Amino acid sequence: DTAVSQTPKYLVTQMGNDKSIKCEQNLGHDTMYWYKQDSKKFLKIMFSYNNKELIINETVPNRFSPKSPDKAHLNLHINSLELGDSAVYFCASSQDMGRAAEAFFGQGTRLTVV
Amino acid sequence: DAKTTQPNSMESNEEEPVHLPCNHSTISGTDYIHWYRQLPSQGPEYVIHGLTSNVNNRMASLAIAEDRKSSTLILHRATLRDAAVYYCILRVRGSQGNLIFGKGTKLSVKP
Repeated sequence: DTAVSQTPKYLVTQMGNDKSIKCEQNLGHDTMYWYKQDSKKFLKIMFSYNNKELIINETVPNRFSPKSPDKAHLNLHINSLELGDSAVYFCASSQDMGRAAEAFFGQGTRLTVV
Repeated sequence: DAKTTQPNSMESNEEEPVHLPCNHSTISGTDYIHWYRQLPSQGPEYVIHGLTSNVNNRMASLAIAEDRKSSTLILHRATLRDAAVYYCILRVRGSQGNLIFGKGTKLSVKP
């Protein structure tokens, strides 16, 4: 079983569309994250949730809205997609906030906005 | 979190040991040294972490300098599958929040 799974793996969409990326972890972790890796390969945190509560919200446009229906899921919804949103998005989880450095990452979702 | 400096890239031959350096001259006493790697088209993967003593696990060894201003990730016998970007990250013990990734070292392994 995959510990942290994201769907879809690839997403190609037009500018202006709204799309969602789903993430599920079966590790029983309390904390989940969304990271963005841009074309220069820099990985940056976007959001973190602990027990379904938003903990970190880096400088991310309002068009990005995370939703955590339960501890095992953290979905990312993006409105009005722009070309600059093209990137690989990684979901991750850790046992708790204090163990963020021992996080498990998903395989990534490659988003291409055309 | 304190800053780390790593070479942009390194090459290794298959079956040979690889020593990946990381400098962290501003490390504080409560910073743990973590290593992650990212295989092509994969998410980052935790490798190893340590505080002061050298550490070994099934993936690698971590050698930490006595003054803790540098560390070295050691892959004892590189395989083609070890070709990846390796990130050295400092984290304050028990601190909350996200990981801060730098540029890392891109390791190429030649057959």
